[in-house]
Amino acid sequence: DAGVTQSPTHLIKTRGQHVTLRCSPISGHKSVSWYQQVLGQGPQFIFQYYEKEERGRGNFPDRFSARQFPNYSSELNVNALLLGDSALYLCASSFWENNSPLHFGNGTRLTVT
Amino acid sequence: GEDVEQSLFLSVREGDSSVINCTYTDSSSTYLYWYKQEPGAGLQLLTYIFSNMDMKQDQRLTVLLNKKDKHLSLRIADTQTGDSAIYFCAESIGSSASKIIFGSGTRLSIRP
Repeated sequence: DAGVTQSPTHLIKTRGQHVTLRCSPISGHKSVSWYQQVLGQGPQFIFQYYEKEERGRGNFPDRFSARQFPNYSSELNVNALLLGDSALYLCASSFWENNSPLHFGNGTRLTVT
Repeated sequence: GEDVEQSLFLSVREGDSSVINCTYTDSSSTYLYWYKQEPGAGLQLLTYIFSNMDMKQDQRLTVLLNKKDKHLSLRIADTQTGDSAIYFCAESIGSSASKIIFGSGTRLSIRP
């Protein structure tokens, strides 16, 4: 079975631009979460979506937004990119909103110049 | 607030056991996780333990949980070169399995 898939794998943007990252969860998984991993640190929670509704949001500015589609795939959008947004963006899926472990994709490496 | 701490580096000889330790702060955490990250890759779920358990064993992996001291450990038996990676300890925020707080990771290196 395919795991969590993310696209693109790498992306280079300039300051002020916006970016859209995409994620397809494991088949049958209804919950998608997004995490940001800055080099040398552990991932930080950005969003969780379940059944197309936002179920949680981490300590990130409003420039970050996301949505989940009827097929449970998800997009993460970041506007007005800053150099500090350079990171590995990880998507994770789980079967339920709670009570089921997270499975991560390989991430999208975003570089902002 | 929630916080997870772990040592940054661990070096072990091939064939020995590796023990990676972690402390966490949220006493209401329901799930505690160990993830493995190899260079350039995403996170691989190694194992997780419910807060009402003391120990979980899965082949070469043994997880020990001391809830009183908020201490979690991962033991890897017969460590191999393929075990070289960064290992992240993580705790769930309360009962939500999807919102988790990660430590900074422990880099495990294997020497011959």
